[in-house]
Amino acid sequence: EPEVTQTPSHQVTQMGQEVILRCVPISNHLYFYWYRQILGQKVEFLVSFYNNEISEKSEIFDDQFSVERPDGSNFTLKIRSTKLEDSAMYFCASSESGDRVPIFGQGTRLTVV
Amino acid sequence: DQQVKQNSPSLSVQEGRISILNCDYTNSMFDYFLWYKKYPAEGPTFLISISSIKDKNEDGRFTVFLNKSAKHLSLHIVPSQPGDSAVYFCAASASRFGGGNKLTFGTGTQLKVEL
Repeated sequence: EPEVTQTPSHQVTQMGQEVILRCVPISNHLYFYWYRQILGQKVEFLVSFYNNEISEKSEIFDDQFSVERPDGSNFTLKIRSTKLEDSAMYFCASSESGDRVPIFGQGTRLTVV
Repeated sequence: DQQVKQNSPSLSVQEGRISILNCDYTNSMFDYFLWYKKYPAEGPTFLISISSIKDKNEDGRFTVFLNKSAKHLSLHIVPSQPGDSAVYFCAASASRFGGGNKLTFGTGTQLKVEL
């Protein structure tokens, strides 16, 4: 069964450093998403991406965040200058189209120290 | 901003019995609802969904009921199995037909199915 793959599974970084979280969506999917879950809290939408541009973003997704689809297979989330409160599980998801159910990856645990 | 609420953080059920997980929402624009299951250290796994034009959707042991007037939905699992033990998230979307599927999640209910 096709799956969304995220790397790394765990990333530890120092406060103020830049991190890039990587995702390989399912190959025939056209919509891509990032969500995050801070420990003990709900899963929160960050951004959706379609046709090489952001289609929607939440208030969490400020200027410190950016997304990119650098080639035909990868979808990345960059945090420019990490803060302690960025520590969370980050989930990538993809869907065939805008009205299809998003399929989630296994997540990257980001720890900012 | 709790647009989707799961008021029971945990639920314990005996194997073979029915599990009923509840979810309430406040945003009238939501027109599509989903249930995801999540094991520790894994991503959410899609279980079942329902459109606002229906009041029931069934898939094997899983049935979702939607009461639009009460802004309430529930997931029934019959019979419950030990492998069903996980966190269950209710999610809602106001963009079912186009624009991407931004989901608003509830806080989750930890289901434990005991032998």
